[in-house]
Amino acid sequence: NAGVMQNPRHLVRRRGQEARLRCSPMKGHSHVYWYRQLPEEGLKFMVYLQKENIIDESGMPKERFSAEFPKEGPSILRIQQVVRGDSAAYFCASSTRQGRSTEAFFGQGTRLTVV
Amino acid sequence: GENVGLHLPTLSVQEGDNSIINCAYSNSASDYFIWYKQESGKGPQFIIDIRSNMDKRQGQRVTVLLNKTVKHLSLQIAATQPGDSAVYFCAEFQGAQKLVFGQGTRLTINP
Repeated sequence: NAGVMQNPRHLVRRRGQEARLRCSPMKGHSHVYWYRQLPEEGLKFMVYLQKENIIDESGMPKERFSAEFPKEGPSILRIQQVVRGDSAAYFCASSTRQGRSTEAFFGQGTRLTVV
Repeated sequence: GENVGLHLPTLSVQEGDNSIINCAYSNSASDYFIWYKQESGKGPQFIIDIRSNMDKRQGQRVTVLLNKTVKHLSLQIAATQPGDSAVYFCAEFQGAQKLVFGQGTRLTINP
């Protein structure tokens, strides 16, 4: 049973380009969370999605950032017109939210560098 | 709320000693808490969880204590080993929707 898979692991973009980060949840998981982490800091919640629905996007910047979790395929975090301040590690987590346990498992992250 | 923008506090312990990492959570309505371990360059790794109807839960070498009165969590690691070096985060489920992380503590092990 493969864990949460994120790709690419490292992504370099020039200012103004678009960045697409992918997250394939664990098998059987229908809930996905995206987090952003700056060096030496904690993980900041961005968005929580279920299949085809955005449940909570209170941590998403109002502009340039969007997320989706289609019925088929991975969840995508999209950053348009990237700026240097977008450089960070972006982590995805998935969970089942079934049964007694709602523990969330994380991927290895995508490290975005904007040059 | 979330503690971001602050540099991580550090805890240094001798190899073989017990470690205690503390965390204050923000939402009195949160009913599920998780401790994660994050090694350099990796994603957070689940360690142990606890529900709000419990005060204590034990795992292999780890114990989590929950004090709901003062909204405080602690993670105790017994007989700390070099492989325990990492950043440790507590996280709470707020409103059954959102997993929110605390500030994190960097644990370093002295030989």
